[in-house]
Amino acid sequence: GAVVSQHPSWVICKSGTSVKIECRSLDFQATTMFWYRQFPKQSLMLMATSNEGSKATYEQGVEKDKFLINHASLTLSTLTVTSAHPEDSSFYICSASPVTGDDQETQYFGPGTRLLVL
Amino acid sequence: LAKTTQPISMDSYEGQEVNITCSHNNIATNDYITWYQQFPSQGPRFIIQGYKTKVTNEVASLFIPADRKSSTLSLPRVSLSDTAVYYCLVRGTGFQKLVFGTGTRLLVSP
Repeated sequence: GAVVSQHPSWVICKSGTSVKIECRSLDFQATTMFWYRQFPKQSLMLMATSNEGSKATYEQGVEKDKFLINHASLTLSTLTVTSAHPEDSSFYICSASPVTGDDQETQYFGPGTRLLVL
Repeated sequence: LAKTTQPISMDSYEGQEVNITCSHNNIATNDYITWYQQFPSQGPRFIIQGYKTKVTNEVASLFIPADRKSSTLSLPRVSLSDTAVYYCLVRGTGFQKLVFGTGTRLLVSP
C-alpha cells in the first residue's frame, strides 16, 4: 500500500510554455501533499505544501505565481510550472501522507517528474 | 525542525553489514526519526521509522539510544542494489514538512 504516482514521468517543453505535473495517492487519501525539487547531485528542496481545499503554502524564495499548486481532491495535487525557462529544468517530486492507518503522517514519495525546458 | 548530520559517503562490500549514523542533537520530544533511500532519478523510498530504542522491519533496523540525539540505520548483508543515497530526517507529529539534509551516498562494491 501507500503508493504515490506522478504524471508525466518526464516532459520536454519550449521556453515560455506551461507544464502541469500531477501527483496522485493511489490507495489512500491525503489532505496534505508536498512538492519538492531536486537538481543533479543535490538533495531535495521543499517548494510548497499543498492543502486540500485551500491555498498552498510556499517556502521562502519559491514564486507562487510561477509554480501554481492545486489540491482539488484528497487524492490529487497538481503543480503547474508557468512560463517555464531553462533554469526550471529539474526533477520534481511529490509526497503524501495517509490520513488514517498505522502509517498516517509517514510521507510516501512519488517517482518524480523530469522536466527539461529548451 | 531538528537539523540532522550524517556522513557524506560510505563504502562497503557485498554481504557486509552497513551502519549509517545520523546525529540530531536538537530533536524535540514529539519528533520521529525517519530514513529514506533514493536511487538516481527516482523518488525517495521509505525504509524505516522510529521514536526510541530499536525498530526492525524486513529490510533494515533502526537503533535509537535513550537520549535520542542520534540514530543508526543498519542494513544487514548489503548487495550491489543497495547502492543509493540514504537520508535521515526528523519530523514532528502531524502532517509536517520534511527538510532533507545532504544524505549519505552508499557505494556497495563486489
